[in-house]
Amino acid sequence: DGGITQSPKYLFRKEGQNVTLSCEQNLNHDAMYWYRQDPGQGLRLIYYSQIVNDFQKGDIAEGYSVSREKKESFPLTVTSAQKNPTAFYLCASRSSGAGTDTQYFGPGTRLTVL
Amino acid sequence: DAKTTQPTSMDCAEGRAANLPCNHSTISGNEYVYWYRQIHSQGPQYIIHGLKNNETNEMASLIITEDRKSSTLILPHATLRDTAVYYCIVRANTNAGKSTFGDGTTLTVKP
Repeated sequence: DGGITQSPKYLFRKEGQNVTLSCEQNLNHDAMYWYRQDPGQGLRLIYYSQIVNDFQKGDIAEGYSVSREKKESFPLTVTSAQKNPTAFYLCASRSSGAGTDTQYFGPGTRLTVL
Repeated sequence: DAKTTQPTSMDCAEGRAANLPCNHSTISGNEYVYWYRQIHSQGPQYIIHGLKNNETNEMASLIITEDRKSSTLILPHATLRDTAVYYCIVRANTNAGKSTFGDGTTLTVKP
């Protein structure tokens, strides 16, 4: 099956610990994105990458870090510097071509920091 | 990206058409209108997009006004599984694909 996978679906961590969320895609997309969603709210962009070995900060990058060593993978690390890390995290990749620019989302990881 | 305005919530009877409006009065000439939906606790799903012509696919129809300042997503025969948050996004295809997802419209389809 082609698509985006995120693991795990639920993640629990103690306060002060770094945690890395996985995102893998086999759609051969160049661009990938990380969003955060809080209850009852829309999505906010954390980081995005348009190509391997390159990434840019989004609107709420503080306390997060990413890497893009492979086209298929875009892991997100939530560091202890993130003041309120409990949230639903969504990864996406983008298909682009003539007249289309569509994002495909993974199923999300729900992170709870205790 | 142009800002969009959507109603917070809407109800629709099962089997009837659901018409979801979106205002985007500051849209630029090179910006497309995209619609996504998010079923509870899942990732958003692409529905449809358009530039200025009306569009239809197997999921929905998109009607864009002639001045492009507003649009309507139409689900022709809503089912209970269409209950979700619907996001209207306006975006140019040249901005690295960054999307601004507002709070969207919560559509509740009732039996």
